Amino acid sequence: GIQVEQSPPDLILQEGANSTLRCNFSDSVNNLQWFHQNPWGQLINLFYIPSGTKQNGRLSATTVATERYSLLYISSSQTTDSGVYFCAVENYGGATNKLIFGTGTLLAVQP
Amino acid sequence: KAGVTQTPRYLIKTRGQQVTLSCSPISGHRSVSWYQQTPGQGLQFLFEYFSETQRNKGNFPGRFSGRQFSNSRSEMNVSTLELGDSALYLCASSLQSRGYGYTFGSGTRLTVV
Repeated sequence: GIQVEQSPPDLILQEGANSTLRCNFSDSVNNLQWFHQNPWGQLINLFYIPSGTKQNGRLSATTVATERYSLLYISSSQTTDSGVYFCAVENYGGATNKLIFGTGTLLAVQP
Repeated sequence: KAGVTQTPRYLIKTRGQQVTLSCSPISGHRSVSWYQQTPGQGLQFLFEYFSETQRNKGNFPGRFSGRQFSNSRSEMNVSTLELGDSALYLCASSLQSRGYGYTFGSGTRLTVV
């Protein structure tokens, strides 16, 4: 099956700093999503981005499907950005209708 | 528009008991998937239901089962609970159309003692 790797595994930032999180996947995908897991466990959908670039406020994401990676950019980080960021992919051709998650990046933003 | 609703939020059960978790998807979504999250194994796919039919199942023992009702609400059941079943159980709903992804509920945190 598809393998999903995220880097770095942990990241500590000062408030106001910028960061880039990376997601590599081992096969072609039809769906790629970035999630932020809040302290209560809920997975908040940040981006649906199987290809191209999207921006939402201080967050943006780029997926280069041909090279099998996606990047999540966080600018001017705030303490509320802390948490775990997951990349998840899906391949419709496998008829599995399921998301395969990476192991996540644990982000801590310090005041 | 209401999101994905999971109940209960927290649950404590004793080994050997069984448990039922509930998930109400976003209105109009017919696909409901379940995932288990543990510190050791991360997020793993349990099963997916579409129009009351289980379409896919992950690599979990038969103690884990589920069903979907005609209103798309889904339940998952775990019988003969083991300590290792302690986890966060997340439900996701989807339109199952390209261009849309999955939306997750807040989860049910199950502790088996």
